Amino acid sequence: AQSVAQPEDQVNVAEGNPLTVKCTYSVSGNPYLFWYVQYPNRGLQFLLKYITGDNLVKGSYGFEAEFNKSQTSFHLKKPSALVSDSALYFCAVRDRTGANNLFFGTGTRLTVIP
Amino acid sequence: GAGVSQTPSNKVTEKGKYVELRCDPISGHTALYWYRQSLGQGPEFLIYFQGTGAADDSGLPNDRFFAVRPEGSVSTLKIQRTERGDSAVYLCASSLGIPGANVLTFGAGSRLTVL
Repeated sequence: AQSVAQPEDQVNVAEGNPLTVKCTYSVSGNPYLFWYVQYPNRGLQFLLKYITGDNLVKGSYGFEAEFNKSQTSFHLKKPSALVSDSALYFCAVRDRTGANNLFFGTGTRLTVIP
Repeated sequence: GAGVSQTPSNKVTEKGKYVELRCDPISGHTALYWYRQSLGQGPEFLIYFQGTGAADDSGLPNDRFFAVRPEGSVSTLKIQRTERGDSAVYLCASSLGIPGANVLTFGAGSRLTVL
């Protein structure tokens, strides 16, 4: 079975400071991991994904995420937050056994304070 | 089209009525997915099409929910005898090829409110 945990419902960070949005997962075997962002009244937008190789994945808008197999984590990071980064962030996982379902976490609302 | 298009964007209906939600995927995307997002929750998988066939409908909550994709492009999600608990945002997504590591592109969603 697949599962994703986003332990923080809300993250607040000051503009210009680094941000981290946490995600841990559980799958059988190795995962495909994704981060999506959702702005009000808009669809989910893809940020980045991990397939294989380098554990540090770089994505859109300056975001990056680090895959840590031993901790089963895939935390989203950005060195310097912008007010425009304020949105709802979702981590998602799919196992490699042929699963069709992309399983999403419950989301973390990021607020960047000017 | 340039993106995934969903209509209507908002639908208000009464308990017991029948509802259809439409999804027009990105041209050339063979895979199409329906998800449901309730308030404060992440999207939950409903059904996956590869071409015209429903390859995985394991997420449909009960037999009141049904989806079709007759020509391998546009899909319609059909909900019979709607209940208040069906109120949610219904998201459609499409992608190239089989799931795997492929990125899903989502539409803006259809917000269903059942009174």
